[in-house]
Amino acid sequence: SQQGEEDPQALSIQEGENATMNCSYKTSINNLQWYRQNSGRGLVHLILIRSNEREKHSGRLRVTLDTSKKSSSLLITASRAADTASYFCATTNTGNQFYFGTGTSLTVIP
Amino acid sequence: EPEVTQTPSHQVTQMGQEVILRCVPISNHLYFYWYRQILGQKVEFLVSFYNNEISEKSEIFDDQFSVERPDGSNFTLKIRSTKLEDSAMYFCASARANTGELFFGEGSRLTVL
Repeated sequence: SQQGEEDPQALSIQEGENATMNCSYKTSINNLQWYRQNSGRGLVHLILIRSNEREKHSGRLRVTLDTSKKSSSLLITASRAADTASYFCATTNTGNQFYFGTGTSLTVIP
Repeated sequence: EPEVTQTPSHQVTQMGQEVILRCVPISNHLYFYWYRQILGQKVEFLVSFYNNEISEKSEIFDDQFSVERPDGSNFTLKIRSTKLEDSAMYFCASARANTGELFFGEGSRLTVL
């Protein structure tokens, strides 16, 4: 299975702190994507990093990818209460299927 | 901003009944997906669809499930005879490119009694 595993499963931080979530996967990929899900809502795409990229930034988000270790990390800097959500990584090789991890539940305390 | 829309938002049905969940993907997207998420659990792949045929399906997508794109805009998921364990949130997603960003709808919550 290509399914990813995020860790930690749950993370609680104070507003203003940085949050780091990790994702590991099992097989070769074309790209890895991070999504956010507010409780009871659909998933929202955050950032995509291709297999030949090592790092990518988007606003307060920084994603790294280490294909040799089959892992990725998502860093949210200067967190806000509104960042409270679940975060999932998703990997794909052919695009016919995206494999989602188990998610990290982030709580940012105001 | 274009979005994926799903109906109904919530459906309650009796075990053994047929259910059809509807999705309107973003109009210029070519790749379509159904995922499901049992409450508090991971997002599970069901099926992908391109060029009017199934590209890939998971073990979950057995003979009770079918998908259709009947009119070039709607993308439907049918569960022929629902079971209790089909209770979940069902998400439709579409993409412009086959390895690109997925755009998800808000989901259809299915409750099977």
